[in-house]
Amino acid sequence: KNEVEQSPQNLTAQEGEFITINCSYSVGISALHWLQQHPGGGIVSLFMLSSGKKKHGRLIATINIQEKHSSLHITASHPRDSAVYICAVGYGNKLVFGAGTILRVKS
Amino acid sequence: DTGVSQDPRHKITKRGQNVTFRCDPISEHNRLYWYRQTLGQGPEFLTYFQNEAQLEKSRLLSDRFSAERPKGSFSTLEIQRTEQGDSAMYLCASSLSGRWSEQFFGPGTRLTVL
Repeated sequence: KNEVEQSPQNLTAQEGEFITINCSYSVGISALHWLQQHPGGGIVSLFMLSSGKKKHGRLIATINIQEKHSSLHITASHPRDSAVYICAVGYGNKLVFGAGTILRVKS
Repeated sequence: DTGVSQDPRHKITKRGQNVTFRCDPISEHNRLYWYRQTLGQGPEFLTYFQNEAQLEKSRLLSDRFSAERPKGSFSTLEIQRTEQGDSAMYLCASSLSGRWSEQFFGPGTRLTVL
């Protein structure tokens, strides 16, 4: 069993839809990260959180430490949001990554 | 552009050859990480440095792999006697030390072993 599980693996949405990507983890963590990866490889950090909720523009990330679960929400989705979204947990001095969720937003 | 650069961006090599990749982190970052990502998977931790000291290595890092960060600035990752299974994206990231420090990723080096 992977230490970090994401769902869904693939997601197709219409422009304007509300999107949720889920992440569950089984290890004790220092922080949870949501990352965005565009074709070609570049990874950008979206959020780093250890409790509660963070919001940045149309993106919202929540975490429930007791349930070892986090969600990434995208409101009013747009085709430029199409990317791979990766959940990663801080474990010791390294990150342990989920397999990623491939998001495609159609116009 | 995150400020972390990697060179080369793409490398095609034949099985059995040696390859070396370079990572230049953000200058004030004392931590540097190497990850490997295969198609359809998330990155996997390979190793990390605090300044010039290599503090942790994954079991994924076989004896054909070696990484250095000689002056605590740039780092190199060498793969000897490459195998087709080494084909992957090799990602470098850097950060300040501390459990809440964000990691900044480079664009990656895509290795194809023929």
